Amino acid sequence: KAGVTQTPRYLIKTRGQQVTLSCSPISGHRSVSWYQQTPGQGLQFLFEYFSETQRNKGNFPGRFSGRQFSNSRSEMNVSTLELGDSALYLCASSRTTQGNSPLHFGNGTRLTVT
Amino acid sequence: AQSVTQLDSHVSVSEGTPVLLRCNYSSSYSPSLFWYVQHPNKGLQLLLKYTSAATLVKGINGFEAEFKKSETSFHLTKPSAHMSDAAEYFCVVSGTGGGADGLTFGKGTHLIIQP
Repeated sequence: KAGVTQTPRYLIKTRGQQVTLSCSPISGHRSVSWYQQTPGQGLQFLFEYFSETQRNKGNFPGRFSGRQFSNSRSEMNVSTLELGDSALYLCASSRTTQGNSPLHFGNGTRLTVT
Repeated sequence: AQSVTQLDSHVSVSEGTPVLLRCNYSSSYSPSLFWYVQHPNKGLQLLLKYTSAATLVKGINGFEAEFKKSETSFHLTKPSAHMSDAAEYFCVVSGTGGGADGLTFGKGTHLIIQP
């Protein structure tokens, strides 16, 4: 069974640009969550999608958005990039909403904003 | 409200000696508790989970954790450390029965294995 796949693995962008990250969950998993990981703040929850609907959103500005497609694949978009957006972005899928079933993480997308 | 505290940001042990990574939690509900491991440049991998069944939970790679309600602890242990255990470990609590806002991650413990 294939794991959670995140693309691309690495990205370098310039301040002010926008970026789209992609996540393919494990087959049969309907929940996809996104996290930002930085050395200073640790793991911070961005949002969770379940059956194409955003269930919950963390405390991030509106520049961070996402969506989920009918095949459960998810994309995350960050507009007007800032230097502080440099981080490892992790996607996790689970069979039901997270908290009820364990999360399965992808290897992440390393975003560097210059 | 819930919280999780990993008591050590770094733990260093020699190969072949026991490992103890400490985690305390607080939750208004009966919590589910998890330990995840993250190797460099990788995502997090589930080590084990507690969901109100047996208080001693066995996980992968020889790790286990004991849920102690009276001490609100969920410490992770391994009898004999291996070099491949060097990684970041996260204790996670879920107390509201579901939903991403019900998950709280600890700050992580960096495990160093000395040869």
